[in-house]
Amino acid sequence: DIVMTQSPDSLAVSLGERATINCKSSQSVLYSSNNKNYLAWYQQKPGQPPKLLIYWASTRESGVPDRFSGSGSGTDFTLTISSLQAEDVAVYYCQQYYNSYTFGQGTKLEIK
Amino acid sequence: QLQLQESGPGLVKPSETLSLTCIVAGDSIRSSTYSWGWIRQPPGKGLEWIGSISYSGNTYYNPSLKSRVHISVDTSKNQVSLNLTSVTAADTAVYYCGRPQKSGTYYNALDIWGQGTMVTVSS
Repeated sequence: DIVMTQSPDSLAVSLGERATINCKSSQSVLYSSNNKNYLAWYQQKPGQPPKLLIYWASTRESGVPDRFSGSGSGTDFTLTISSLQAEDVAVYYCQQYYNSYTFGQGTKLEIK
Repeated sequence: QLQLQESGPGLVKPSETLSLTCIVAGDSIRSSTYSWGWIRQPPGKGLEWIGSISYSGNTYYNPSLKSRVHISVDTSKNQVSLNLTSVTAADTAVYYCGRPQKSGTYYNALDIWGQGTMVTVSS
């Protein structure tokens, strides 16, 4: 199984500041034949299902604000929120879909 | 627009079988080339993939649950079903069904999720 490890577990950032969440996979999720990283990011607010933000590690889902961006390749990935808004308070998960599905443990993002 | 709706009993007794359905609205499973997945989330915890069924009917399960899980599709009712046997309190969770964004693949980013249904295992 591919293990996904996120850091930090929780994060407090001031409104308008940058938030950065890291995700590391136990093995590469880069598929060499198409040069795509099989890595997604989700946002989950209380009482709601997860919402897809980013797929292929860096492609923003339609309708997702451009303050959200994803980067990284192979085993190390980052979700960045460039200017934190109040509505971004949530738990964020990374997920690999290279070999079945596994999720990171989640990062809780709060306002400082 | 595709919508998924999970349903089933909210309370199941230990050692019994948990049975849930995911009704698919806005697409025909019979003609679809998408796979369908089940994911769960214990209270206050993270997400765990349970298993998936492909458009060709092949099933793929989380190894940690494989001996207890069965996922099937009922094309006449346009729904996906989950059975989990011999449940314990550790199976208490919100259960979600989801569909990946890309057809013709077994695994992909999940862009469509149901609202989830809470299942409590307790006597």
